[in-house]
Amino acid sequence: NAGVTQTPKFQVLKTGQSMTLQCAQDMNHNSMYWYRQDPGMGLRLIYYSASEGTTDKGEVPNGYNVSRLNKREFSLRLESAAPSQTSVYFCASSELGGGLLPLHFGNGTRLTVT
Amino acid sequence: GQQLNQSPQSMFIQEGEDVSMNCTSSSIFNTWLWYKQDPGEGPVLLIALYKAGELTSNGRLTAQFGITRKDSFLNISASIPSDVGIYFCAGQRRGSTLGRLYFGRGTQLTVWP
Repeated sequence: NAGVTQTPKFQVLKTGQSMTLQCAQDMNHNSMYWYRQDPGMGLRLIYYSASEGTTDKGEVPNGYNVSRLNKREFSLRLESAAPSQTSVYFCASSELGGGLLPLHFGNGTRLTVT
Repeated sequence: GQQLNQSPQSMFIQEGEDVSMNCTSSSIFNTWLWYKQDPGEGPVLLIALYKAGELTSNGRLTAQFGITRKDSFLNISASIPSDVGIYFCAGQRRGSTLGRLYFGRGTQLTVWP
């Protein structure tokens, strides 16, 4: 049982390049989330998807887009990467939205934008 | 912006000592969660709290949901080297929209053998 799987694990981009971070979960969870983690900042919500077919902005959505491809997969896209987007990105899922049932996290994608 | 104040920011302790950390908020929360993050990995849930005043244990860990609903604390008893990591509190604010979990900035714990 893999849980939440993120790819790639590491990525280096030049400013202006685009890329998509992939996330898949095998727990049949309804809700999925993208967070970014910066030193000393904790985790901040970028976007979330309460259920298949819906997406909503979180705390720091600017510069990102998301797609809930199906129940299992939720991708995060950077159209034109900026150095401020250097961060560790975590995907998470939960059976119900919010804190009613806890989030399960992937192992992160470490992104550097030069 | 950031909703939760977590302290201390870091702790350096001797193996066998007890540890205490806490989280406070200016808003009322209806769920408190405590996570641990090991280097290079995602956060893993330690304890979940759903009711004001609730006290829950998980092995050497004990967490409480504050009676005012604005705070929570985590205690680790008899620390061991594998307790090293970053501990995060997280909460869902009362009345917040679906999916909105707020995180503290973390407590970095170092345990000396």
